[in-house]
This record gives sequence, structure tokens and C-alpha cells, in this order.
Amino acid sequence: GENVEQHPSTLSVQEGDSAVIKCTYSDSASNYFPWYKQELGKGPQLIIDIRSNVGEKKDQRIAVTLNKTAKHFSLHITETQPEDSAVYFCAANQAGTALIFGKGTTLSVSS
Amino acid sequence: DGGITQSPKYLFRKEGQNVTLSCEQNLNHDAMYWYRQDPGQGLRLIYYSQIVNDFQKGDIAEGYSVSREKKESFPLTVTSAQKNPTAFYLCATRQGGNQPQHFGDGTRLSIL
Repeated sequence: GENVEQHPSTLSVQEGDSAVIKCTYSDSASNYFPWYKQELGKGPQLIIDIRSNVGEKKDQRIAVTLNKTAKHFSLHITETQPEDSAVYFCAANQAGTALIFGKGTTLSVSS
Repeated sequence: DGGITQSPKYLFRKEGQNVTLSCEQNLNHDAMYWYRQDPGQGLRLIYYSQIVNDFQKGDIAEGYSVSREKKESFPLTVTSAQKNPTAFYLCATRQGGNQPQHFGDGTRLSIL
């Protein structure tokens, strides 16, 4: 089955800097890769996703890149703000299967 | 997420007791999922259901049971066989295929 590895487990940046979180997946059949943000005591919220027919997707300060050959994908947050502080999860799956999640990255943005 | 209601928000279990966590959705989504979240462990899949009256075990199904009698509801029972039930439990739904998956706000289960 699918296995998703996520790095780093913690990330501290200064406000205004960029943050990058990386994930690798094992199943070459996986074709859907979402990213979630989870705030304390809440359920994860989808922030961006990408499908395997696309190499990059951007939404304002957030972007995701996908390298199918290397089986890794990354989340990029530019101009970080204190409200970006949260736990971020990557996930992967193929149609008809459940999402498999990485173990999460705790992002801290200090002002 | 709007449309997915998990209750209660906090739940306490006594030794040897079964407890049931509720998940209700009004999004008309076909698929529903239960995940368990422990610190540093990410989200691990317990059970999922792609249609009514059908469900499959996830990676950590032992000590848990589910039912899917209605499209809107997917309750999770934590049985006394689950020896370490203290965790944050998350329910999620999905329209199907590779559509986005949405989460409720979770139930925190603790042992008395």
C-alpha cells in the first residue's frame, strides 16, 4: 500500500520568510496530492491540492509542486505570517482508495 | 468543516466500556472515513465506507467497529478491546473518486 513520508517534522521561520515542506510517496499509481492545515483543537482544512497531470499549482502565497518521476511533492508558503503557524499534512491516494497522510509538520512563524 | 458534525467534542471512557462517536454529514457525500490522530503520528485510517451498507478496515481497525446504515451517518464504536483509546478522532467525507476530502472538528476521547 501507499506510504507517505513528510519532512521536516518542525519548521521555524521569521515572518516574511518562505517555508517549504516536502513529502515523498511510494505508490506510483497515486494521482491525487492534497495539503491540509490543522489548527489546535480543529479538524484539518484543505488548503491546496494537485493532480498528477499537473506539475505545479499556485494559490496566492501557497504553491505545490509535483515531481512524478521522483515521487515527491512540496508545499511552498511565501511571505509567511504568524497566522500561518499550524500543523501541515500532506497526503496521497489514487481513485477509489483512502487518503494516506504524512506525519505532519509543525510550522512556527515568529514576528 | 461546514456540513460535517462530530459529537461529542469530548468523551470519557471507563475501563471495559464501549463508547460510540457520532459523525453526521449533510454534504450528500458517498464516502466517509474515520481517522485517529496521536501526537507525532499523523492521521491513521481506522475504517472507511464508500457506499451505504459497506465499509472496509483501514490500517488500525482492531478494537473498533462501524456501521453505515444511512448515507448521512457513520458512527464509530471504540470497544473495550481497544487498549489504548486515548486520541483525537476525526471523521471525513468525500464525494468520491479523487474529489477533495473534508474533515469534521473531531472528538477527543480520554480514559477515566
